[in-house]
Parts: sequence; structure tokens; C-alpha cells
Amino acid sequence: DAGITQSPRYKITETGRQVTLMCHQTWSHSYMFWYRQDLGHGLRLIYYSAAADITDKGEVPDGYVVSRSKTENFPLTLESATRSQTSVYFCASSAGKGNGEQYFGPGTRLTVT
Amino acid sequence: RKEVEQDPGPFNVPEGATVAFNCTYSNSASQSFFWYRQDCRKEPKLLMSVYSSGNEDGRFTAQLNRASQYISLLIRDSKLSDSATYLCVVDSGYSTLTFGKGTMLLVSP
Repeated sequence: DAGITQSPRYKITETGRQVTLMCHQTWSHSYMFWYRQDLGHGLRLIYYSAAADITDKGEVPDGYVVSRSKTENFPLTLESATRSQTSVYFCASSAGKGNGEQYFGPGTRLTVT
Repeated sequence: RKEVEQDPGPFNVPEGATVAFNCTYSNSASQSFFWYRQDCRKEPKLLMSVYSSGNEDGRFTAQLNRASQYISLLIRDSKLSDSATYLCVVDSGYSTLTFGKGTMLLVSP
């Protein structure tokens, strides 16, 4: 099906473990984004990518790693998970720079114990 | 000062009421403005863009005041299905958007 998907939808992991959240879009959008959403903070940008092999930091990049070897995929890795990274993670894509319409995936609820 | 500020609410209104939300932004160079809607435990979705001249989409009206750096959203004839969190979003002309924390609307029968 066309759209933007995230996996897993729910994840529980332990402190110190590495975990990767997957994001896949079928629109061939140039831009992809990772956000986290926490009570009291709203949506905060972690990393974004303007095209394959081009990534840039957002507001809260520490503790996260991204890659974009293919246009359609934008995985987010927590190298050593901490409890402060418990959050809802949203991936989004958009057709171009400054395009206000970002399409969001359904989110991944991550709990770090 | 936060980049995009919104009253978190909740705004509790009866069906059929008119309700308005405001949002202020700090970057005077901001170029584009939007309202997104987020249902409980769901992803945000674009509701409407906000144009300098103001714009309507059915029961929804968005206004922009660049001089005062605020954006508004007016919802007329509220429906139960309008219950959601409304996010004010600003594009500063770079590659990313800045989201407000959202205003919660609860419409009751």
C-alpha cells in the first residue's frame, strides 16, 4: 500500500540496548524527518534528510543515529537506549524544502526500562 | 521565548459552538504557516495552510497577522468529531517546520 509506514509500532527495550526504528515511504519524497513527541514538549525534530545520503541534525539529535542509503527508507537507531528516550517517535516525509505538508507515519511507542 | 506558543487548553465547548485558537511565533522571518490536527494517540495531519489574506475551508477559517506575529484558527458549528489537538506550525524558510505544543479541543454533546 502507498504511504508511510513505521515498524515496530510498539517496542519495549532495556537500558543500554541498541534499537532501530524503521520508516518506509512509497511516494519517493525527497525529505524525511524523525520526531519525538513527549508530554509537555510537543513534537521535536531529531534528524532529517533532504535526499539519499544527506542527513542533518535537528533540535534533539544526541543519542540517535540515522542513515539514508535509499530514498524510501530512513531508519533511526538508538545506539544505547536510555530511559529518557522513552517516547513516541514519528517519521514524516515531504515532497520538497519548505513544503508545509509533511505526511506522518503512525508512530512507534518506545519504552526503555 | 519559545518559537511557537499556544494555549494548551483544553477548550471545552458544546456542539454547534464557535471556538477560536491563537498562536504566536517569534521568528519574524517566518515564511509559511499551517494548522495541523492530531487525534488522540494518532499522527498529526495537515488541516490547512494559513495565507496572509486569510482563508476558509468549510467551517474552518485561518488568519495571519504578520505585524503582531500571530496566527488564528476559527472553527464554526463545532462537531463532536472536531475534538482533537490543533498544532500551530511555522516554516522559517529552511528545510524544517517548527511545531507548537498544541491546543486541545473537546466538543461535548
